[in-house]
Amino acid sequence: SSELTQDPAVSVALGQTVRITCQGDSLRSYYASWYQQKPGQAPVLVIYGKNNRPSGIPDRFSGSSSGNTASLTITGAQAEDEADYYCNSRDSSGNHLTVFGGGTKLTVL
Amino acid sequence: QVQLQESGPGLVKPSQTLSLTCTVSGGSISSGDYYWSWIRQPPGKGLEWIGYIYYSGSTYYNPSLKSRVTISVDTSKNQFSLKLSSVTAADTAVYYCARVRNDYGDLVIDYWGQGNLVTVSS
Repeated sequence: SSELTQDPAVSVALGQTVRITCQGDSLRSYYASWYQQKPGQAPVLVIYGKNNRPSGIPDRFSGSSSGNTASLTITGAQAEDEADYYCNSRDSSGNHLTVFGGGTKLTVL
Repeated sequence: QVQLQESGPGLVKPSQTLSLTCTVSGGSISSGDYYWSWIRQPPGKGLEWIGYIYYSGSTYYNPSLKSRVTISVDTSKNQFSLKLSSVTAADTAVYYCARVRNDYGDLVIDYWGQGNLVTVSS
């Protein structure tokens, strides 16, 4: 199986832009999905595919991918964006397996 | 709007079997468009995929848990279930059920249950 690596913690000043990254071999073959999780709540899908947002997700959230790295960008971070963010992708083995990154704690200063 | 709700005991003794059920509303579990998944999160830690099932009964498990996990589906009740055997304290976690769709080859988790905390303790 493959692994996805994320920075444990990232901070951003209110209103500024922040990029959260996810690295792994599987990302050369599959897009990452990104999930936001606030304390005591279930994760919520924020980005999937090349750069798709589910209904209700603000357009300040965007995704991109290059080589073995996927990125989640928040343009104009808000206080309510402070949360844990997890990437997820299909395993590169080609089986119906999926793997999560370790998560990134985003602090909005 | 699809909703998923986990149910089951919040406390399980070591060496016993953890059993949880997920009830799906707002959509049919028999729809061939989705997989139905279990994911867990130990307190203060990250997410771990356990496995998922297709309505036909085909299952796919995390290799690290495969020897202890069984996921089954009951289409008549619109439910799917998780059994994890021989549990230890390391299995203490919030257990989520979720819906997964195949998006041009990517597996996207688009709906989650609220989670069910299961503590393994004597």
